[in-house]
Amino acid sequence: EAQVTQNPRYLITVTGKKLTVTCSQNMNHEYMSWYRQDPGLGLRQIYYSMNVEVTDKGDVPEGYKVSRKEKRNFPLILESPSPNQTSLYFCASSPQGTGANVLTFGAGSRLTVL
Amino acid sequence: GQNIDQPTEMTATEGAIVQINCTYQTSGFNGLFWYQQHAGEAPTFLSYNVLDGLEEKGRFSSFLSRSKGYSYLLLKELQMKDSASYLCAVREDTNAGKSTFGDGTTLTVKP
Repeated sequence: EAQVTQNPRYLITVTGKKLTVTCSQNMNHEYMSWYRQDPGLGLRQIYYSMNVEVTDKGDVPEGYKVSRKEKRNFPLILESPSPNQTSLYFCASSPQGTGANVLTFGAGSRLTVL
Repeated sequence: GQNIDQPTEMTATEGAIVQINCTYQTSGFNGLFWYQQHAGEAPTFLSYNVLDGLEEKGRFSSFLSRSKGYSYLLLKELQMKDSASYLCAVREDTNAGKSTFGDGTTLTVKP
């Protein structure tokens, strides 16, 4: 089944404790992206990647890091989480190029930073 | 910067028709998407417009006017399961790249 898999789905952590949210897709998509969703603020893009070893900042990159060493994986790293990073995170992927390159989303990762 | 506006909430009756509007001002345009998101779930794709006009897909249609920076999603024969948030998103670059989402419109369908 074509899908985007995120882990963990739920996580409660404390301020300053480094964590990684993994994202993996099995559709051979070139493009991958991370979003956070907060009440009343919609989906905001954190980072995106057009292909292996190519990453770019989205609208809200502060406090996050990403890497794209393999085509299928795009982990989101919070080096020193803070309470304002409590949010629902979505990873998404799509094919590259022109046309209706629809985003396929993972199920979401709900993160709470105490 | 980018700006995408859609109503925050709408309510409609089962069996009726509802139109959700989206206006956008972006530095680039390479397509407008509508996604549906049920509470606590991931967004799923509904429709895509890159040229002016209407795209129809079953009970759902989407319209685009690039000169006006305007789109709408039309839902016909509303069902209770259509209660969800509807997200308008604009893709800016020609190679997937950046997509900017509106805050979403929460639609409640009542019996």
